Amino acid sequence: EPEVTQTPSHQVTQMGQEVILRCVPISNHLYFYWYRQILGQKVEFLVSFYNNEISEKSEIFDDQFSVERPDGSNFTLKIRSTKLEDSAMYFCASSSGSGTGNPYEQYFGPGTRLTVT
Amino acid sequence: GDSVTQMEGPVTLSEEAFLTINCTYTATGYPSLFWYVQYPGEGLQLLLKATKADDKGSNKGFEATYRKETTSFHLEKGSVQVSDSAVYFCALSDRSSWGKLQFGAGTQVVVTP
Repeated sequence: EPEVTQTPSHQVTQMGQEVILRCVPISNHLYFYWYRQILGQKVEFLVSFYNNEISEKSEIFDDQFSVERPDGSNFTLKIRSTKLEDSAMYFCASSSGSGTGNPYEQYFGPGTRLTVT
Repeated sequence: GDSVTQMEGPVTLSEEAFLTINCTYTATGYPSLFWYVQYPGEGLQLLLKATKADDKGSNKGFEATYRKETTSFHLEKGSVQVSDSAVYFCALSDRSSWGKLQFGAGTQVVVTP
């Protein structure tokens, strides 16, 4: 069964450093998403991406964040200058955007745990 | 804006007990509703879904019915197992919002033998 994959599973970085979190969505999907979950808190939407541009972003997704689909398979989230409060689990998700049923049904990757020290 | 409210946990119960997790929502449109489950140390897995009023989603013995009149989507299971111990998230997606999921706070369920 197709699945979303994410690398690395755990990233430790120092405050102020740049990090890139990588995701490989399901191959025929058209919509891509990033969410984050700070330890013990709810899952929060960051950004959605379609047709090589951002569709929607939350207040959390400020100028320090960016997303990119550099090739036909990867979808990345970059944090330019990490802060302590960026420590969280980051989930990538994708949806088909077409077909029967709910085209926006999202399939999640296993997450990348980011620890900023 | 859209939001989801679910009962706080942790919910602790014995094996074979009946489980209910309440979830209510606020939405301006006609959202799709979901339950996701997060097992310890793992990511989010879709448990079940319902896309319109009166739909019943079901999977692995869990059920939830989309109730538009009470704006609710309560999760139920008749006989839980220790392996059902996890955090359960209720979520909604408004199709006008590119499928963005709004999650509830999550309810931790602990099932003891």
